[in-house]
Amino acid sequence: EAGVVQSPRYKIIEKKQPVAFWCNPISGHNTLYWYLQNLGQGPELLIRYENEEAVDDSQLPKDRFSAERLKGVDSTLKIQPAELGDSAVYLCASSLRGANVLTFGAGSRLTVL
Amino acid sequence: QKEVEQDPGPLSVPEGAIVSLNCTYSNSAFQYFMWYRQYSRKGPELLMYTYSSGNKEDGRFTAQVDKSSKYISLFIRDSQPSDSATYLCAMKDDYKLSFGAGTTVTVRA
Repeated sequence: EAGVVQSPRYKIIEKKQPVAFWCNPISGHNTLYWYLQNLGQGPELLIRYENEEAVDDSQLPKDRFSAERLKGVDSTLKIQPAELGDSAVYLCASSLRGANVLTFGAGSRLTVL
Repeated sequence: QKEVEQDPGPLSVPEGAIVSLNCTYSNSAFQYFMWYRQYSRKGPELLMYTYSSGNKEDGRFTAQVDKSSKYISLFIRDSQPSDSATYLCAMKDDYKLSFGAGTTVTVRA
C-alpha cells in the first residue's frame, strides 16, 4: 500500500514568488492534515480537513496561505507571495476519521531566497 | 510556556547503550501519547502509542506514561546505529495533536 505521497520534495524560489505543494493521502483516509515543521522544531498544524471540509484552519496564515481539497482526496497547499520566513518543511498527513494516529508523508522542503 | 516540553539534545550514545528520552506537558486534557521517529529528510513515523498510565513495551522500545506527573518517557534498549534519528513526543486531547520539539539521537558504532 502506498503511503502519503507529497510533491515536490524540494523547492527553491525567490521571495514574493508563489509556490504550491501537493498531497495524495492514504486511500480511504477521510482526514487530511497540513503541518509546518521549522528546523529543530516539532510539526505545527496548519489545517485539517474532514473529507473536503476544512474543519480547523485557525493556524493557517490566510493572508498568504491557502489550501484546498477538492473531491475530498488530494490536497494542495499554496503560498503567495512567499517570504523568507516561510522556509521550512511542509508535511502532509492523513488518518481515518477520529483516529489518533497519523501517517505522514516525506514532506516538501521549501527554501525561499 | 509550550504545552509540550522536550529537551532537544543532541544525545550521543555508544552502540548497545540504553537511550532515555522524555517529555513533560501542562495540558491535563491530553489522553493519548505517542512517540514518532523521524529520520533525516523523512516524515515522522509512529513508533509507540499509548492512552493510559504505565508501561508499554514493543521489542527494544518501552514507553512510559505518568499522568499524575504529566511526564512521558521512551527507552531504547540495546541501541543500534540505525536508531540514530530525531524522536518526537506527541500528545492529543479530543481535538488537537501537539508535538514536542524533538530530541536528536546519535548511536555511535
